[in-house]
Amino acid sequence: GQNIDQPTEMTATEGAIVQINCTYQTSGFNGLFWYQQHAGEAPTFLSYNVLDGLEEKGRFSSFLSRSKGYSYLLLKELQMKDSASYLCAVKAAGNKLTFGGGTRVLVKP
Amino acid sequence: EAGVAQSPRYKIIEKRQSVAFWCNPISGHATLYWYQQILGQGPKLLIQFQNNGVVDDSQLPKDRFSAERLKGVDSTLKIQPAKLEDSAVYLCASSLDLDRGETQYFGPGTRLLVL
Repeated sequence: GQNIDQPTEMTATEGAIVQINCTYQTSGFNGLFWYQQHAGEAPTFLSYNVLDGLEEKGRFSSFLSRSKGYSYLLLKELQMKDSASYLCAVKAAGNKLTFGGGTRVLVKP
Repeated sequence: EAGVAQSPRYKIIEKRQSVAFWCNPISGHATLYWYQQILGQGPKLLIQFQNNGVVDDSQLPKDRFSAERLKGVDSTLKIQPAKLEDSAVYLCASSLDLDRGETQYFGPGTRLLVL
């Protein structure tokens, strides 16, 4: 089976940096995705990690450590529009994704 | 490129009634997924199709939920009879090949309220 943990909620100030952690326990790990989901909308793809290390995409970066079962999503220069839920999803064999409960990020002025 | 289409967008029914949702994936995507997302939680996989075959339906409550994907394209998800706890957003997603780092693309979802 799979177990994925991420904090329920985080609050940060506009312009600041926030780090959302995700820990997982899984058999057959085959990659990790991060998605952003605004209230009332569908999840949209942010990043994908399959090897250890940091992947950077503009203001967003994602890190993976396979040996520690750990990933984080780093959001820099926070903007009000970044207020959303961020979902960590672990990929196992067979194109199957298992999602964590999501972290709701609230950006304050 | 057209995205994943779902209908209806909203549905309100009474408990014990039946309901059906429809999904049209992105053209050429062999894998199709149905998720249930309860408010404040992450999506939970109900069923995964590869073309028109079922790959995983281990979390589908088969006494009341059914799904099919005829001809390996469109899919329908049915609930019969509905319960109060089925109130959720039902998301359909499709993908090419996650093993190559391709992401899933989600449709807008169907928001179901069971009264």
